[in-house]
Amino acid sequence: DAGITQSPRHKVTETGTPVTLRCHQTENHRYMYWYRQDPGHGLRLIHYSYGVKDTDKGEVSDGYSVSRSKTEDFLLTLESATSSQTSVYFCAIRSEGAVEPQHFGDGTRLSIL
Amino acid sequence: RKEVEQDPGPFNVPEGATVAFNCTYSNSASQSFFWYRQDCRKEPKLLMSVYSSGNEDGRFTAQLNRASQYISLLIRDSKLSDSATYLCVVNIGDSNYQLIWGAGTKLIIKP
Repeated sequence: DAGITQSPRHKVTETGTPVTLRCHQTENHRYMYWYRQDPGHGLRLIHYSYGVKDTDKGEVSDGYSVSRSKTEDFLLTLESATSSQTSVYFCAIRSEGAVEPQHFGDGTRLSIL
Repeated sequence: RKEVEQDPGPFNVPEGATVAFNCTYSNSASQSFFWYRQDCRKEPKLLMSVYSSGNEDGRFTAQLNRASQYISLLIRDSKLSDSATYLCVVNIGDSNYQLIWGAGTKLIIKP
């Protein structure tokens, strides 16, 4: 299996608290992505990165920020969590030359109460 | 109208049968297409790309119909292990973030 891990796998927190999700890869890929998945919706891109300190917004970036200080780590932060951010979050990696993500992490189930 | 639409199913199919489902897209400029499978409470996994001429990978055949703007996935001799949700993905531009995901079609293979 591809070396991509997410942490935590599950988290329950309260509205208004900051939350940080971590994605770690051992594949040395430049491209990394954060998606959220909600019932009845396709995966939606939150933010993506194309290198260390190079990030950009996706379709649903409001309320989220990211950081990438090392190739292997891509962090997603919910600055002040809201109930609408309850979701399953997936990190993904893509190799050079491809369009589609090749591998996803196991996902983080986040509940905001 | 959603940019990428899939019948949510579920499709209940007996083991050994052939099943096919489609995915329609609205942007005629869409450039590339993919199928992923996702098992319950698991991450999506890339199943196959969809080429203009159609392509096959074992029991799986993917086809593209640009005129009618849909892609299809056909599974022959279905196995219990094929039970999953199948996600269609469309690249609507030349940037790597312009992927639009369908919400998926759930397939249940029954013994």
